[in-house]
Amino acid sequence: DQQVKQNSPSLSVQEGRISILNCDYTNSMFDYFLWYKKYPAEGPTFLISISSIKDKNEDGRFTVFLNKSAKHLSLHIVPSQPGDSAVYFCAASHNYGQNFVFGPGTRLSVLP
Amino acid sequence: NAGVTQTPKFRVLKTGQSMTLLCAQDMNHEYMYWYRQDPGMGLRLIHYSVGEGTTAKGEVPDGYNVSRLKKQNFLLGLESAAPSQTSVYFCASSWTSGRGRNTQYFGPGTRLTVL
Repeated sequence: DQQVKQNSPSLSVQEGRISILNCDYTNSMFDYFLWYKKYPAEGPTFLISISSIKDKNEDGRFTVFLNKSAKHLSLHIVPSQPGDSAVYFCAASHNYGQNFVFGPGTRLSVLP
Repeated sequence: NAGVTQTPKFRVLKTGQSMTLLCAQDMNHEYMYWYRQDPGMGLRLIHYSVGEGTTAKGEVPDGYNVSRLKKQNFLLGLESAAPSQTSVYFCASSWTSGRGRNTQYFGPGTRLTVL
């Protein structure tokens, strides 16, 4: 049973609009979450993180929201750009540990 | 500063053959990891290492062995390859601990096909 779920395999958004990628987790012990972006034929690259003591973290166009009671986090990209087209992975760990559990990913397509 | 590099980039094996995947990092990271990525399943941890000379099992360790003889290198071995090990393999490294420092840096991946 997947502990980290990304129920939308793909998402298409118009350039300039907001992209919202969702992630749900089942393990209430998770206390640190990251988002990675992955282009084809490359390794994932770190995008943004959030710890369980916060409910929001911003970095430029990227904002991650955490709802602990719902065991849900989301990544907002505003405004979306064609270069944001990639696969986005959500990952979680507990005790701020190094063993992350990854979701299956969501493929974002930003249309010009 | 090359970051995390992986050798080879592609490989085709026949069932029963063996091979070793090499991962190298030049960031002086303590932790290193091997993942496999399969369609619809995200990245799954195979083995990891918390320092030179140490290794530990991850989520899917069966059929793989690892060694960390030098801090900068982490080797993944397949002793007798099976078609189920056809996958893309990613190596990653990270600092030890500390909030905000747990980011893992990934290599470009090795695409392995077992016939």
